[in-house]
Amino acid sequence: GNSVTQMEGPVTLSEEAFLTINCTYTATGYPSLFWYVQYPGEGLQLLLKATKADDKGSNKGFEATYRKETTSFHLEKGSVQVSDSAVYFCALAKGGGGTSYGKLTFGQGTILTVHP
Amino acid sequence: DAGVIQSPRHEVTEMGQEVTLRCKPISGHNSLFWYRQTMMRGLELLIYFNNNVPIDDSGMPEDRFSAKMPNASFSTLKIQPSEPRDSAVYFCASSFAREGPRSDYNEQFFGPGTRLTVL
Repeated sequence: GNSVTQMEGPVTLSEEAFLTINCTYTATGYPSLFWYVQYPGEGLQLLLKATKADDKGSNKGFEATYRKETTSFHLEKGSVQVSDSAVYFCALAKGGGGTSYGKLTFGQGTILTVHP
Repeated sequence: DAGVIQSPRHEVTEMGQEVTLRCKPISGHNSLFWYRQTMMRGLELLIYFNNNVPIDDSGMPEDRFSAKMPNASFSTLKIQPSEPRDSAVYFCASSFAREGPRSDYNEQFFGPGTRLTVL
């Protein structure tokens, strides 16, 4: 079946540091890939997505590139801010034939804390 | 658009009581998902519906949990009887699931969650 594995957290960084959160996946066909972010006390919200190999999703300074050869979708940001402190989830949507009814498979989430 | 609406936002109840969580999905969406989030178990998918029909309830922890979707604009998740281990944040999410070979990049929109505490 489909699965998503994220790097273990929590991740603690100083403001303006470079961020990488690793995400690898297992899936048949050509899944679509997502990063969701959950700020304290809120629901998850879409941060960025990529729907085919070599696509780069970007938003709010965050980027992730869909690498089919390494089955990865690592999240990066060049300079993090205190306001980026949140939980980050990598997710995939089934590709190929049939329908998944919109179901997403989520990773376990990575807690990011950014200090001033 | 008001987004996904959940009520109540907070619920405190005693063990053995019935709890009903409510969700109003985004208008026009045809899939609805119920999740549970705890520190120990992370984010778990409990059940999901498409066009008001339950598709997969294999994530429902036990018979004490039930979910209904009587129409396209309303869903409930009921716990009866509740237990302290049910304490968690419960999220509802909705999406528009498209048919076809490239159908599977549908964004899910999450509600703010209901924080349930069972004493």
